Amino acid sequence: AQRVTQPEKLLSVFKGAPVELKCNYSYSGSPELFWYVQYSRQRLQLLLRHISRESIKGFTADLNKGETSFHLKKPFAQEEDSAMYYCALSAGNNRKLIWGLGTSLAVNP
Amino acid sequence: EADIYQTPRYLVIGTGKKITLECSQTMGHDKMYWYQQDPGMELHLIHYSYGVNSTEKGDLSSESTVSRIRTEHFPLTLESARPSHTSQYLCASTGGTGELFFGEGSRLTVL
Repeated sequence: AQRVTQPEKLLSVFKGAPVELKCNYSYSGSPELFWYVQYSRQRLQLLLRHISRESIKGFTADLNKGETSFHLKKPFAQEEDSAMYYCALSAGNNRKLIWGLGTSLAVNP
Repeated sequence: EADIYQTPRYLVIGTGKKITLECSQTMGHDKMYWYQQDPGMELHLIHYSYGVNSTEKGDLSSESTVSRIRTEHFPLTLESARPSHTSQYLCASTGGTGELFFGEGSRLTVL
């Protein structure tokens, strides 16, 4: 079954600390994975996708096919990183997105 | 400017009323979606469309209906609203890149 798991519903860190938001997936084919972010009072938007292999706002995510993971990392968290983060998997012929439950990140001063 | 628009942003109505949530996109995307999301919670796909005159139900059963008569327009209708329909409804669209573009959402409260 195709599934995306984000084991942490809430993650709280202090400003300047490293942060890792976990995402594991279950998919038999070749996955395409995304991280979306929703800041307070803003629309849900794409943060990054694994095929671009770029760093956005200091965040990176590496696809690990052996561990079926796509964890989101940032070495030094900032208060403005506080938001809801969703991991998503694009699967199947119609490339419909399968969403994780989301992780709420709180970066404390 | 290419964007995706949702109206109304906020709606408070009484039980039994018929409501339509509007969604329009000016990005020329074929694929459009409706999600239901309670604040800070998971996204539930309730309807999607891959083109004009094509609509499908999503993963979460919903009493709402949708139509896709024009490429840019994907309205969602509730014939008789109930308090259990209170939620935020997000419209999204995508082109060939796979990236979903979301509207700002319509927050519905049914009294």
